[in-house]
Amino acid sequence: KNEVEQSPQNLTAQEGEFITINCSYSVGISALHWLQQHPGGGIVSLFMLSSGKKKHGRLIATINIQEKHSSLHITASHPRDSAVYICAAYTGNQFYFGTGTSLTVIP
Amino acid sequence: GAGVSQSPSNKVTEKGKDVELRCDPISGHTALYWYRQSLGQGLEFLIYFQGNSAPDKSGLPSDRFSAERTGGSVSTLTIQRTQQEDSAVYLCASSLVGSPYEQYFGPGTRLTVT
Repeated sequence: KNEVEQSPQNLTAQEGEFITINCSYSVGISALHWLQQHPGGGIVSLFMLSSGKKKHGRLIATINIQEKHSSLHITASHPRDSAVYICAAYTGNQFYFGTGTSLTVIP
Repeated sequence: GAGVSQSPSNKVTEKGKDVELRCDPISGHTALYWYRQSLGQGLEFLIYFQGNSAPDKSGLPSDRFSAERTGGSVSTLTIQRTQQEDSAVYLCASSLVGSPYEQYFGPGTRLTVT
């Protein structure tokens, strides 16, 4: 059983659509990270959450600690958002990663 | 300012040889992390350094893997007696303090064991 589960595994959207990626985890966490990995392989940290909600531009991340669930939302999606989005749970001394959600936004 | 740098960017080695991978974190970042990503697989946490504290080595996959961080800055990940299953992209990240602070990732070292 994976400590972090992401869904969907693959997602194709039309430009402008609202996108939601889900992450559920089974471990106790001190923080949850959302990462973006572009086709070239580079990884960028998008958010670090320990509670509530964070917004950066068109990206919104939420976390429900009681339900052990986090979501990443992209509003007004754009082809440049095409990437793999990875959820990572940090327990205080260990990271557990989801397998990623591959997003393709079609013009 | 400069981001996290890693060297070499690519390394091809023969099975059984030792390899050293280097990570230069962002200046002033006290926390440093090593991860690996095997082809078609997700990210895997390897080891984490925070300041001068002893690192948490629980993520290292075998005793052939070791890492050190000299002077609280540059880190080296060493793989002894490499095996084909060690082939992966090895990623380094740094942050101001230990997670839960934002991490900045390096470009990675692609290791191929033939």
